Amino acid sequence: RKEVEQDPGPFNVPEGATVAFNCTYSNSASQSFFWYRQDCRKEPKLLMSVYSSGNEDGRFTAQLNRASQYISLLIRDSKLSDSATYLCVVNRMNRDDKIIFGKGTRLHILP
Amino acid sequence: EAGVVQSPRYKIIEKKQPVAFWCNPISGHNTLYWYLQNLGQGPELLIRYENEEAVDDSQLPKDRFSAERLKGVDSTLKIQPAELGDSAVYLCASSPGLTPANEQFFGPGTRLTVL
Repeated sequence: RKEVEQDPGPFNVPEGATVAFNCTYSNSASQSFFWYRQDCRKEPKLLMSVYSSGNEDGRFTAQLNRASQYISLLIRDSKLSDSATYLCVVNRMNRDDKIIFGKGTRLHILP
Repeated sequence: EAGVVQSPRYKIIEKKQPVAFWCNPISGHNTLYWYLQNLGQGPELLIRYENEEAVDDSQLPKDRFSAERLKGVDSTLKIQPAELGDSAVYLCASSPGLTPANEQFFGPGTRLTVL
């Protein structure tokens, strides 16, 4: 089992809809979690950090479920500009710090 | 503020040739990362530096890959000899502080094609 897993998609979603995707992680020692966004042929950029209490930034909400070992990203009122690949990032901290990217979930917002 | 700078942006070489990539991180960032990204995949960490010390190089194929960050600022990643399977985008990132728990800022990457 991979340490960080994401549904690769693509998710094809009409503009204005709400979309959510999850990312599961296998190592319970994981401490920090992030969502990065990557546009086609561009570098990844931080979208938001994921805190234990969850966090919201405008139309974006990130949640952490430690019991089930997954994080989620919810996008409300989706825009065409939200089309991108969303990368889940997990930082494992036990004997060694290890930062692991998921393969990403592709999102296409349809006009 | 200048972002992470990488050069070259594109490189085409024949197999068995050497190649080197250069990265200049954001000023003041202690931690520097080199990643490899294949099409349709997430970035895979090759090596992480804290200042000039390589603190995680477990994923670096040491038979052909090498890296250095001599003065704790800019860094070079080298492949010698290159193989067809090395074709990928090589991303450099930096972050403030000395923990991977901070936001990483990525450079535009070097797209390597090995013929």
